[in-house]
Amino acid sequence: SQQGEEDPQALSIQEGENATMNCSYKTSINNLQWYRQNSGRGLVHLILIRSNEREKHSGRLRVTLDTSKKSSSLLITASRAADTASYFCATAETSGSRLTFGEGTQLTVNP
Amino acid sequence: DVKVTQSSRYLVKRTGEKVFLECVQDMDHENMFWYRQDPGLGLRLIYFSYDVKMKEKGDIPEGYSVSREKKERFSLILESASTNQTSMYLCASSLPWTKETQYFGPGTRLLVL
Repeated sequence: SQQGEEDPQALSIQEGENATMNCSYKTSINNLQWYRQNSGRGLVHLILIRSNEREKHSGRLRVTLDTSKKSSSLLITASRAADTASYFCATAETSGSRLTFGEGTQLTVNP
Repeated sequence: DVKVTQSSRYLVKRTGEKVFLECVQDMDHENMFWYRQDPGLGLRLIYFSYDVKMKEKGDIPEGYSVSREKKERFSLILESASTNQTSMYLCASSLPWTKETQYFGPGTRLLVL
């Protein structure tokens, strides 16, 4: 399996519920980033968490990082229909020079 | 706000044609990237450039070349398009440190017939 794998592949929830997506990776990282992609569009950066950070917040987004388990989670609270999109994690490896993207989680928020 | 633009949203070409995909960014970023995105395969890096006239191969450079004559513009060239190059192509840019945030264009959906 590749660096930066998201879980689940697809998630369907009702508006107002919280959505949690997970990302696992294999090697040591400098940072981990989450991006969002609306259907047929480019990716938009959401949040970056560095290897020495454990938790970060941005509006309704909460990201955690557990370097001992090589995993991260993205929590979207009080979801809205407009949050419907694909969410990707991207890892910046310590030894590498670029980002590696996972295959994404497709989130559907039903009104 | 950073703006990354791509020359076309949709493109239809025939097998064997030479195809140019253009990307322009307006934030004076040193780094620029070309990815392709396919269902089940995620984003795969084709080429990136960290300075004018400089380029580095990504994971899948075969069948592609790039050109960066000016800092703001990064072109992806398909020398002889093939049907297996039908895909979504995404351009991105970032500050000099390639591990930092990347800013993406809207993408070009290319269909090769």
